[in-house]
Amino acid sequence: EAQVTQNPRYLITVTGKKLTVTCSQNMNHEYMSWYRQDPGLGLRQIYYSMNVEVTDKGDVPEGYKVSRKEKRNFPLILESPSPNQTSLYFCASSTGPGHEQYFGPGTRLTVT
Amino acid sequence: GEDVEQSLFLSVREGDSSVINCTYTDSSSTYLYWYKQEPGAGLQLLTYIFSNMDMKQDQRLTVLLNKKDKHLSLRIADTQTGDSAIYFCAESPIYGGATNKLIFGTGTLLAVQP
Repeated sequence: EAQVTQNPRYLITVTGKKLTVTCSQNMNHEYMSWYRQDPGLGLRQIYYSMNVEVTDKGDVPEGYKVSRKEKRNFPLILESPSPNQTSLYFCASSTGPGHEQYFGPGTRLTVT
Repeated sequence: GEDVEQSLFLSVREGDSSVINCTYTDSSSTYLYWYKQEPGAGLQLLTYIFSNMDMKQDQRLTVLLNKKDKHLSLRIADTQTGDSAIYFCAESPIYGGATNKLIFGTGTLLAVQP
């Protein structure tokens, strides 16, 4: 089954404790993105990647890092999480610009 | 800058038609999308339209695009309780090379009353 998976689905952590949210797709897509969803703000792009070893900032990259060492994986790293990063995070992949983006199920992160 | 706006809430009765509206600002957009998000779930692409089209119909869904006013609408015919969800409008701007970026609206919560 073609899908985008994220882990964990739910995470509660404390300020400053490094964490990684994994994202994996099995569709051989070149493009992958991370979004965060906040009430009243819709979804905002954090980082995107156009191919292996090619990443760039989206609209709200501060406090986040990403890597793309393999085509299928695109982890989101929070080196020192803060409470304002409490949010619902979505990973997405697609075959190319303007093409349909397939979304993962989301990761709900709470930073206390 | 780019901006996509939607009304926050729409309530309809089961069997009626729903019309969810969206306005966008980026005139370079090539694709415009409607996504559905059910409670606790990810986003599901419902339909999309190319910016050189005026209308697209897909079963109960009709998308209308007014390029002059930069207005996009989604009409759901014979709305069912299973259609209750948040609906996001999104545009994919194309400038200088593609970023595969989606600009989302804030989402419209559709509540279908039995």
